Amino acid sequence: DTGVSQNPRHKITKRGQNVTFRCDPISEHNRLYWYRQTLGQGPEFLTYFQNEAQLEKSRLLSDRFSAERPKGSFSTLEIQRTEQGDSAMYLCASSGGLAGGMDNEQFFGPGTRLTVL
Amino acid sequence: AQSVAQPEDQVNVAEGNPLTVKCTYSVSGNPYLFWYVQYPNRGLQFLLKYITGDNLVKGSYGFEAEFNKSQTSFHLKKPSALVSDSALYFCAVRLMDTGRRALTFGSGTRLQVQP
Repeated sequence: DTGVSQNPRHKITKRGQNVTFRCDPISEHNRLYWYRQTLGQGPEFLTYFQNEAQLEKSRLLSDRFSAERPKGSFSTLEIQRTEQGDSAMYLCASSGGLAGGMDNEQFFGPGTRLTVL
Repeated sequence: AQSVAQPEDQVNVAEGNPLTVKCTYSVSGNPYLFWYVQYPNRGLQFLLKYITGDNLVKGSYGFEAEFNKSQTSFHLKKPSALVSDSALYFCAVRLMDTGRRALTFGSGTRLQVQP
């Protein structure tokens, strides 16, 4: 039983560069979420997919951020023209696809830690 | 808007003693409530949830939480703490009966269990 996986685990980049992260959810889950966590804070919601449809987006998701889930399986989160304020842990979670619709809890991956220099 | 407050940044307890980690919430409707635990260099792990039914919810590793609607609280408890329970604990909420699935998290409480 594999959980949610994220790659890379760590990314160091220079300000102004573009970065892309990947998330592979639990295989039977149809819902996928992205959160951002900064030091000393709880995770903050960024966006949510049901299958390939992006159904919710936070105001935190500026124009420089884009997320995709083209085939309803893995997802990518891209940040263009990175800024130092983008430095954070980016968490992916998945849920759903269980009998009876009891998919309320989200299962989180280990995260990708982004450092923007 | 929905929000979660965890009023204690850190809770210290001796091994074998009972522990409580506090959480209060604010939502404009009925809540789904969750507790997650985060160990260093690891992702968030689900502990337990309140959806409907009994106000006392039992979860993983001997943890339980009590939903109190009048006090809008969902405190995490364990009768006897272990050193291995030392970690960062997050309370989260989302609205019931809506299509929205975003979780709103508190800022976390660090639990330190001393041997």
